Amino acid sequence: AQSVTQPDIHITVSEGASLELRCNYSYGATPYLFWYVQSPGQGLQLLLKYFSGDTLVQGIKGFEAEFKRSQSSFNLRKPSVHWSDAAEYFCAVDPSNTGNQFYFGTGTSLTVIP
Amino acid sequence: DAGVTQSPTHLIKTRGQQVTLRCSPKSGHDTVSWYQQALGQGPQFIFQYYEEEERQRGNFPDRFSGHQFPNYSSELNVNALLLGDSALYLCASSPIRDTEQFFGPGTRLTVL
Repeated sequence: AQSVTQPDIHITVSEGASLELRCNYSYGATPYLFWYVQSPGQGLQLLLKYFSGDTLVQGIKGFEAEFKRSQSSFNLRKPSVHWSDAAEYFCAVDPSNTGNQFYFGTGTSLTVIP
Repeated sequence: DAGVTQSPTHLIKTRGQQVTLRCSPKSGHDTVSWYQQALGQGPQFIFQYYEEEERQRGNFPDRFSGHQFPNYSSELNVNALLLGDSALYLCASSPIRDTEQFFGPGTRLTVL
C-alpha cells in the first residue's frame, strides 16, 4: 500500500546535539518530498522540499534533508538543535508531482532538553 | 502579505449539527486545499478547489463539501457532525503551477 512512514513517534535530544528524523515512502515513482514543522496550536510551516537534482537540500532554520532513492527515504537533519526546535515534524509527499494532493506521515514529536 | 487566514479559530458544535469553516488564501494564490488533522495524527487531504471547482478529493464522505468563490477564498462545510469529526482543519493555498502549499493556522472543531 502507498504510505508515508515516520517510524519515530517521539524523539528527545539535548540542546546542541545533532538530530535526524526519519521518513520513508512507498510510491512507485519518485514523488515530490517535503518536511513541515508544526508548533503547538499552529499551522504547518515548510522547512524544505525536494523535487529533483541535488539529493541534499537545504532549508530554513539550519535544517537539511537527504533524498536516497535506493532506500525510498528523505531524512531530516540538523547539526545542532536549539530549544526553539521543539515541535512536531511532518514528512509529506506529492506522488503525482502536481500539487494536487499531499500525503503526510503521522509526525515525530521533538523534545529538546537543556 | 497576510498569508493564509482561517476563521473561526475555535468552534464547538454538537452531534448532528452543520458547520462552515472559512479560508482566505495567500495573495496571488488561486488553489485551495483542505486537510483534517485528528489529534496525534498527520493531516489528511479532504479536497482541493481551483477555478471554483473541486479538482481532487480524498477519502472523505459526502458530508464534507466545499466551495470556492471568485476571489479564491473557500469554505468547508460538514453536515451531520459526528464525534469523530473533532479535529484541526487546515487550509492550504498555492499558485496553480506551483506544488508548494502554504498552510493557515487552522480551525479547531470540537464536536460534543
